[in-house]
Amino acid sequence: QKEVEQNSGPLSVPEGAIASLNCTYSDRGSQSFFWYRQYSGKSPELIMSIYSNGDKEDGRFTAQLNKASQYVSLLIRDSQPSDSATYLCAFTFSGGYNKLIFGAGTRLAVHP
Amino acid sequence: DVKVTQSSRYLVKRTGEKVFLECVQDMDHENMFWYRQDPGLGLRLIYFSYDVKMKEKGDIPEGYSVSREKKERFSLILESASTNQTSMYLCASSPGQGAHSPYGYTFGSGTRLTVV
Repeated sequence: QKEVEQNSGPLSVPEGAIASLNCTYSDRGSQSFFWYRQYSGKSPELIMSIYSNGDKEDGRFTAQLNKASQYVSLLIRDSQPSDSATYLCAFTFSGGYNKLIFGAGTRLAVHP
Repeated sequence: DVKVTQSSRYLVKRTGEKVFLECVQDMDHENMFWYRQDPGLGLRLIYFSYDVKMKEKGDIPEGYSVSREKKERFSLILESASTNQTSMYLCASSPGQGAHSPYGYTFGSGTRLTVV
């Protein structure tokens, strides 16, 4: 079983729609979860973090965490072409050290 | 803003050369990491360090070594570069001790290494 599962996409949504990105993880001891955005040829940048079950909103972004089901999701409202990128989910490895486990990423394409 | 600086954006080296990739962070972070990123394989952890002079192997340490003589600097060394080490190399840092620091990583801009 892979540690992190993400649909590689591409996920194609029209401009103005809600984009929904999902991630499942296997480590039940994980406590911190992150979403990174990576534009082509660039390095990942942190856009959201979530630690408790439920929703966390930041502007157009909402992260959702369900520890019992071991999934985390990212919703992007009013999607813009500038949101087109690869989105990586990550979680802390419970076995020690401040180490993140990354998913392979979902490519999002927002078309006008 | 936290800054993680990688010394080179693009690098071309010959097979068999010893290659040094440098990473410096300016926010007094305890933890530093080296990843490589390849299409279809995602981010793979090579080595990490949680303190000066401390290092731990990641998932793919073979062919690499690291050095952390000062807190702000974490160097990745390719002992004898090979073509299968052609990749994007990303350095990252994060604050906090222990397994569940809530801060996430800050990444450098990456070094695209080509070994010919």
